[in-house]
Amino acid sequence: SQQGEEDPQALSIQEGENATMNCSYKTSINNLQWYRQNSGRGLVHLILIRSNEREKHSGRLRVTLDTSKKSSSLLITASRAADTASYFCATDVAGNTGKLIFGQGTTLQVKP
Amino acid sequence: DTAVSQTPKYLVTQMGNDKSIKCEQNLGHDTMYWYKQDSKKFLKIMFSYNNKELIINETVPNRFSPKSPDKAHLNLHINSLELGDSAVYFCASSTAETQYFGPGTRLLVL
Repeated sequence: SQQGEEDPQALSIQEGENATMNCSYKTSINNLQWYRQNSGRGLVHLILIRSNEREKHSGRLRVTLDTSKKSSSLLITASRAADTASYFCATDVAGNTGKLIFGQGTTLQVKP
Repeated sequence: DTAVSQTPKYLVTQMGNDKSIKCEQNLGHDTMYWYKQDSKKFLKIMFSYNNKELIINETVPNRFSPKSPDKAHLNLHINSLELGDSAVYFCASSTAETQYFGPGTRLLVL
């Protein structure tokens, strides 16, 4: 079964609003990463949070990790039309060096 | 300038044919990967090489054979293509935990 599952599958908001995406996983992890994929392009790394961290910020991105609930969230504040993309969480599973397991992604549409 | 490049970008072929996809990275990374992304955007790892040595080999049909002539290149050869092989194939590389992806090769098997 899939390691990462994301919620919601699709999200549509207005420019300036905040967008929150959630990711749940099943096994112990070394770290959890978020990637963005623009339509027809490859994935781009956004942020990494380690298993001993609870929150991390990068610009307008805020990531939380709750290892007791095996879940993470990605918050994009003050969204822009350029944030329109699919967002994937990926878990670096403990004991599997270098192997990332991806969720199915959240498709975010930001309307201008 | 391109960090991870793949060729071709698009590949349309008939069932039963054999095809190859090439990947090159100029980041100096030791580890390279092949992923398959299906029509529902589910991304699954297929193979990983570290310094030309195979380290991850997921449950992939043996019609798929990766080859790493040097640590900057990881090619994917697919024999006897099937309809279900239609997908986007991504190459990636890494030096630590973060992975850098190529632009993808869109394979359509008719």
